Amino acid sequence: SQTIHQWPATLVQPVGSPLSLECTVEGTSNPNLYWYRQAAGRGLQLLFYSVGIGQISSEVPQNLSASRPQDRQFILSSKKLLLSDSGFYLCAWDRGQGTAEQYFGPGTRLTVT
Amino acid sequence: KQEVTQIPAALSVPEGENLVLNCSFTDSAIYNLQWFRQDPGKGLTSLLLIQSSQREQTSGRLNASLDKSSGRSTLYIAASQPGDSATYLCAVWGNYQLIWGAGTKLIIKP
Repeated sequence: SQTIHQWPATLVQPVGSPLSLECTVEGTSNPNLYWYRQAAGRGLQLLFYSVGIGQISSEVPQNLSASRPQDRQFILSSKKLLLSDSGFYLCAWDRGQGTAEQYFGPGTRLTVT
Repeated sequence: KQEVTQIPAALSVPEGENLVLNCSFTDSAIYNLQWFRQDPGKGLTSLLLIQSSQREQTSGRLNASLDKSSGRSTLYIAASQPGDSATYLCAVWGNYQLIWGAGTKLIIKP
């Protein structure tokens, strides 16, 4: 069976500090991978998606970046965090067939102070 | 541009009642529609996936319907239980990504 991991679970960082959130998927190969952000009381916002190693598409301009160094690893980064980066970050995967069911990780709660 | 709306934003019902959650979308050209559950501070759990060619899917006490022509989906929960309390989100597959509703926060009162 497939599982998806995210870490850390929670993170408190000062403004201007760097960020690295990691997501890994087990039990499947060549998944599509996604990073979402969920602000308090709001819907999910797609930040990045990747259809393969080194292939990243960005949905919104921001000071975040994503990388996919391995087939089942997806990393969300920032060089300098902003207060507005606070939120709940979710990683997801699917089989990329256009009609595939999407599965989510447990999320990372980021608070920028 | 596809937009997904979920009404109501919050719903509170006594335990044991049957209930319906609504999801509407503006563009009927969808690949599928997916219902998720999110517990506070947790990730999303997929409940049901309805392909565009299907009209409904069932899993236990849950039944989801899809009417593409009217741009609507409903999630029916039978015999609600306190453990069903959560936020329920629907999302539709557009060109290359899921488009999300803001969710319905459901509270089942014991």
